[in-house]
Amino acid sequence: QQQVKQSPQSLIVQKGGISIINCAYENTAFDYFPWYQQFPGKGPALLIAIRPDVSEKKEGRFTISFNKSAKQFSLHIMDSQPGDSATYFCAASMYGNEKLTFGTGTRLTIIP
Amino acid sequence: ETGVTQSPTHLIKTRGQQVTLRCSSQSGHNTVSWYQQALGQGPQFIFQYYREEENGRGNFPPRFSGLQFPNYSSELNVNALELDDSALYLCASSLAGGAGETQYFGPGTRLLVL
Repeated sequence: QQQVKQSPQSLIVQKGGISIINCAYENTAFDYFPWYQQFPGKGPALLIAIRPDVSEKKEGRFTISFNKSAKQFSLHIMDSQPGDSATYFCAASMYGNEKLTFGTGTRLTIIP
Repeated sequence: ETGVTQSPTHLIKTRGQQVTLRCSSQSGHNTVSWYQQALGQGPQFIFQYYREEENGRGNFPPRFSGLQFPNYSSELNVNALELDDSALYLCASSLAGGAGETQYFGPGTRLLVL
């Protein structure tokens, strides 16, 4: 019940296109859903996060869509750029318990 | 404001040995969490320290232990190393009770067990 399932495993998107990564969770006690970006040889860096009281959050080119009833959330990267090429992880945690449960990651490649 | 730092960056050990990894939390943060990231996988929670006390533990054996010091820096100790312990070990700091959910990760220590 602690799992977070992430798809796809890898994704290739043309420059300027929209990248979409999906996650699903089982534990309804989760109430914080961050996305992390990780470049090779680096630690994960927080990209954007959402709480279940809103269905969408946008920061620049990055948008999280959240569907509480389906227990799913997704990351949309608009106008994808080569610099966005990285591995993306969704995660979930419960307020007051900051243990993050991560998805398995999506390797995103943006091609010219 | 300094970020999360970890040392060493890389480490090679042999099976059965012991290792200590170190983490300095971000300025003002009082909580440190440790994660293990195997190649091609997402980070897995090992344990968390808050005000020098263990505050939650993941599914890792007791040979994984830790410490947090009064300045909130932390150590991860692994005894009796096994080949499967080869991974990137990540430290993350946060401020419990504030914007506590946001964890800031260090660059990690790459451990290779031969």
